[in-house]
Amino acid sequence: DVKVTQSSRYLVKRTGEKVFLECVQDMDHENMFWYRQDPGLGLRLIYFSYDVKMKEKGDIPEGYSVSREKKERFSLILESASTNQTSMYLCASSPTGQGAGGYTFGSGTRLTVV
Amino acid sequence: QKEVEQNSGPLSVPEGAIASLNCTYSDRGSQSFFWYRQYSGKSPELIMSIYSNGDKEDGRFTAQLNKASQYVSLLIRDSQPSDSATYLCAVNRNTGNQFYFGTGTSLTVIP
Repeated sequence: DVKVTQSSRYLVKRTGEKVFLECVQDMDHENMFWYRQDPGLGLRLIYFSYDVKMKEKGDIPEGYSVSREKKERFSLILESASTNQTSMYLCASSPTGQGAGGYTFGSGTRLTVV
Repeated sequence: QKEVEQNSGPLSVPEGAIASLNCTYSDRGSQSFFWYRQYSGKSPELIMSIYSNGDKEDGRFTAQLNKASQYVSLLIRDSQPSDSATYLCAVNRNTGNQFYFGTGTSLTVIP
């Protein structure tokens, strides 16, 4: 069964800390994505990657960076956590090509910055 | 104008009824359309995809697409309490592998 695994379900971090959110998929998907989900705002794309070592900014990249050193792993980094980054973070992966299918999401990480 | 619009609800239907969820999108170049179900506190789960105009049926679920009207809908027949969730509409961006998401419609099926 297709799987996207996020390393933490819940995280509490202090303002100013550097935070790493890890995501691993076992489906050999080329594409990986990081979203945040907030009430009333829906899912917003932070960063995405179509290949190893490749990354592209999404709609709200400020305050975040990413790393994709291996095809199966896509990490989201909060350089200096702030309270407005308190959110549910969702990692997703998908195969390449239109019509190839939608996303498979990880279980999410609920991050609280205090 | 948002790229994908959905009524936020809440939508309430009695058990056994048909639930109708609607979605409009603004990017005429979009080619792929998906419906996700999200239970409270969980991540979205893909339940339907549709790529061509018309209807696509899968069990109790029917997705309908009208590209001319830029409209996608999801019908849930014989609604069950276990269908109570938020339903997200997703539409691919012109670049292909990314999607715009609606903010979701909350559905409650009343026993």
